[in-house]
Amino acid sequence: AQSVAQPEDQVNVAEGNPLTVKCTYSVSGNPYLFWYVQYPNRGLQFLLKYITGDNLVKGSYGFEAEFNKSQTSFHLKKPSALVSDSALYFCAFLSGSARQLTFGSGTQLTVLP
Amino acid sequence: NAGVTQTPKFQVLKTGQSMTLQCAQDMNHEYMSWYRQDPGMGLRLIHYSVGAGITDQGEVPNGYNVSRSTTEDFPLRLLSAAPSQTSVYFCASSYQTGTTNYGYTFGSGTRLTVV
Repeated sequence: AQSVAQPEDQVNVAEGNPLTVKCTYSVSGNPYLFWYVQYPNRGLQFLLKYITGDNLVKGSYGFEAEFNKSQTSFHLKKPSALVSDSALYFCAFLSGSARQLTFGSGTQLTVLP
Repeated sequence: NAGVTQTPKFQVLKTGQSMTLQCAQDMNHEYMSWYRQDPGMGLRLIHYSVGAGITDQGEVPNGYNVSRSTTEDFPLRLLSAAPSQTSVYFCASSYQTGTTNYGYTFGSGTRLTVV
């Protein structure tokens, strides 16, 4: 079955340091990959997506992600973390002819001041 | 432009009661979905619709019904609430042109507790 995996339930990083939230995929064909963020007691907000083209995708709030076909990864990155980046992050892909999102289990990012 | 609107934001039900979670979008999106979010499990697809009059089951459809009589509205019905349906429910909508889907916009969620 096709899926995305987020191998880390929790990531802690110091403010000002670079951050990485990992996502690997097992999706046939050309995957449509997404990152969403969820702040406490809020809905999901779109960060960025990869469809085709450049492997480095830039998104909202200074985030970027690199699509790596050989490693089947789509890690989320930011050069300098902010305390306000602390949130739950989800990797997802579009699946099926009905184009529905399937999510990973989520990674809780905590940025320490 | 309100985006995706969900009501109510909070609800407590007794086991066996029924209710409808409302979802409306004003973006003329043809795709709409319902997800439930449970700790450590991400979001799981309950039902979805690719246009008015067309619905289908997702990963966890049991105990839920949907209908799509208009493009704007996609209500989720709990037929006989069970404690296992305690969760946070999200509605989402999207559109695509040709084969390009532009990603989903999510509502703010409904937190449901079944006692």
